[in-house]
Amino acid sequence: DVKVTQSSRYLVKRTGEKVFLECVQDMDHENMFWYRQDPGLGLRLIYFSYDVKMKEKGDIPEGYSVSREKKERFSLILESASTNQTSMYLCASSVPGLNSPLHFGNGTRLTVT
Amino acid sequence: AQTVTQSQPEMSVQEAETVTLSCTYDTSESDYYLFWYKQPPSRQMILVIRQEAYKQQNATENRFSVNFQKAAKSFSLKISDSQLGDAAMYFCAYRSRPGNTPLVFGKGTRLSVIA
Repeated sequence: DVKVTQSSRYLVKRTGEKVFLECVQDMDHENMFWYRQDPGLGLRLIYFSYDVKMKEKGDIPEGYSVSREKKERFSLILESASTNQTSMYLCASSVPGLNSPLHFGNGTRLTVT
Repeated sequence: AQTVTQSQPEMSVQEAETVTLSCTYDTSESDYYLFWYKQPPSRQMILVIRQEAYKQQNATENRFSVNFQKAAKSFSLKISDSQLGDAAMYFCAYRSRPGNTPLVFGKGTRLSVIA
């Protein structure tokens, strides 16, 4: 079974802090994704990556950056956390392919105070 | 840009009954895939079922089936013999070529199952 592990289930940070959300997958998947989930808004794509050291902006990249130094690890970085970044963050991975499903981690619920 | 619309924010169903969750999408592509995901309270997103646009036969996975109407751009999920464990958020998602394209998700439908 594919396992996608997000380092924290719950996280509380202060406004202005630099925040790192880590995601690791164990199935050698090329593609990795970061989504943000908010009530009534569904899942919105922040960033994604097709390969090591490459990244593509999603629909809501402002205030975020990513790093993919190794194939199995995809990190989401909040350069200066703000209260409007309080949300659930979901990491996912997949192999290339039109029919290829995403495999998700358990999510990190981030609260910025 | 492709969009996915789930018009029912919340639904409820009696245990053992059947419920249908609706999903429509907007695309000019002819080749694409559609997915339904389930997110229970544990937060783990689980793939329920998927359908290729070129296949006319509706996909079925045990108690879950879809009604895919390509011309109407509709992709509804039918859950038969509903169980308490079916209570969850359900998300419809779409992907077109190339195969690396991220999934586009709808806003979700929260399904409650009444004992």
